[in-house]
Amino acid sequence: AQSVTQPDIHITVSEGASLELRCNYSYGATPYLFWYVQSPGQGLQLLLKYFSGDTLVQGIKGFEAEFKRSQSSFNLRKPSVHWSDAAEYFCAVGAPEYGNKLVFGAGTILRVKS
Amino acid sequence: GAGVSQTPSNKVTEKGKYVELRCDPISGHTALYWYRQSLGQGPEFLIYFQGTGAADDSGLPNDRFFAVRPEGSVSTLKIQRTERGDSAVYLCASSSLGMNTEAFFGQGTRLTVV
Repeated sequence: AQSVTQPDIHITVSEGASLELRCNYSYGATPYLFWYVQSPGQGLQLLLKYFSGDTLVQGIKGFEAEFKRSQSSFNLRKPSVHWSDAAEYFCAVGAPEYGNKLVFGAGTILRVKS
Repeated sequence: GAGVSQTPSNKVTEKGKYVELRCDPISGHTALYWYRQSLGQGPEFLIYFQGTGAADDSGLPNDRFFAVRPEGSVSTLKIQRTERGDSAVYLCASSSLGMNTEAFFGQGTRLTVV
């Protein structure tokens, strides 16, 4: 069965600083990987996705993530954080043989200090 | 429509009552998913439809929960004899058929059982 671990429940960074949110997954084959962002009272917005190919993927709002098979990781990065990035971030894994249903991590809450 | 629409956005019900939550997916999307997000958690899979049929209902917590999609478009999640533990945000997502497809989420229905 698939599983996702986001080790950091909360992260606080200063505005303009770099950001890395960690995500580790468990899955027997090459998974589909996603990062979603959720602002208070809002739905889930897709930041980026990995299906296959280039292991460094670019997303919206200046985010990127790198798939590392050897580490079973898909960490999210941003070189310079803006105050509007404060939100909760979810990593998710999907598998085509399971109808692409997603298994989500518990989320990481990002706080941005001005 | 332009996106996945869920109604109502908020629902307060008394313990023991029956509730229905509606999801209107993106037009043409054959796959539809229901997730439940409890406070401080990531979304958890409930059920997945491919067309009119439930392809995977392994996430439904018990037989009080049921979902239908009679015409392969709108779906209704039904909860009988609600309990306080059912309080959560219920998210619906839809996607097109095939590999390398992403799911688009609605804003969710916040259910509160008092």
